[in-house]
Amino acid sequence: KAGVTQTPRYLIKTRGQQVTLSCSPISGHRSVSWYQQTPGQGLQFLFEYFSETQRNKGNFPGRFSGRQFSNSRSEMNVSTLELGDSALYLCASSLVGWGRGLTEAFFGQGTRLTVV
Amino acid sequence: GQQVMQIPQYQHVQEGEDFTTYCNSSTTLSNIQWYKQRPGGHPVFLIQLVKSGEVKKQKRLTFQFGEAKKNSSLHITATQTTDVGTYFCACSGGSNYKLTFGKGTLLTVNP
Repeated sequence: KAGVTQTPRYLIKTRGQQVTLSCSPISGHRSVSWYQQTPGQGLQFLFEYFSETQRNKGNFPGRFSGRQFSNSRSEMNVSTLELGDSALYLCASSLVGWGRGLTEAFFGQGTRLTVV
Repeated sequence: GQQVMQIPQYQHVQEGEDFTTYCNSSTTLSNIQWYKQRPGGHPVFLIQLVKSGEVKKQKRLTFQFGEAKKNSSLHITATQTTDVGTYFCACSGGSNYKLTFGKGTLLTVNP
């Protein structure tokens, strides 16, 4: 079956602009998480959605937001872009997410965002 | 929340040498997962450990979960150039619905 699809793969934006990234999870997966990856900070959790509900949010400013649609597809939005937002944004899907249960995370290829 | 410290940050080996990366937590972990990310790629799931003292093997890779469930290790025997990449440990637990990743160990292999 198809893997996790993220679009676009690469993006260049100017400071102050906003950006929307898209993630299509594996069919049947209801949990979608977003991570920001930078060389200095590693993989940092942004938020997790399950059945259109945000269940957890990481320590990022309110400029970072997301949502999930009824078909489990998810989008994340970053408003008022800053140079420090340049990073690889990874989406991960899983059957039910993580909590007391265990489930493998399937990552997309990521969106490389460059803010200039 | 749960945090995991991973060491070393970098490891360079000659092909054929062994490699080990360690993941440590100050709190008891309910589970641990390991991922590998090739240069320019995305993290790929390797394995998950749940039980105290658990040991799992995948060909040349050996994964261990400590008896106190506060640490874990990944050992690669006789490294190959295909082992190059960053190895991450990750944990989840409770009802916080997220995976917390270690900073990763970047492995480079000299052929």
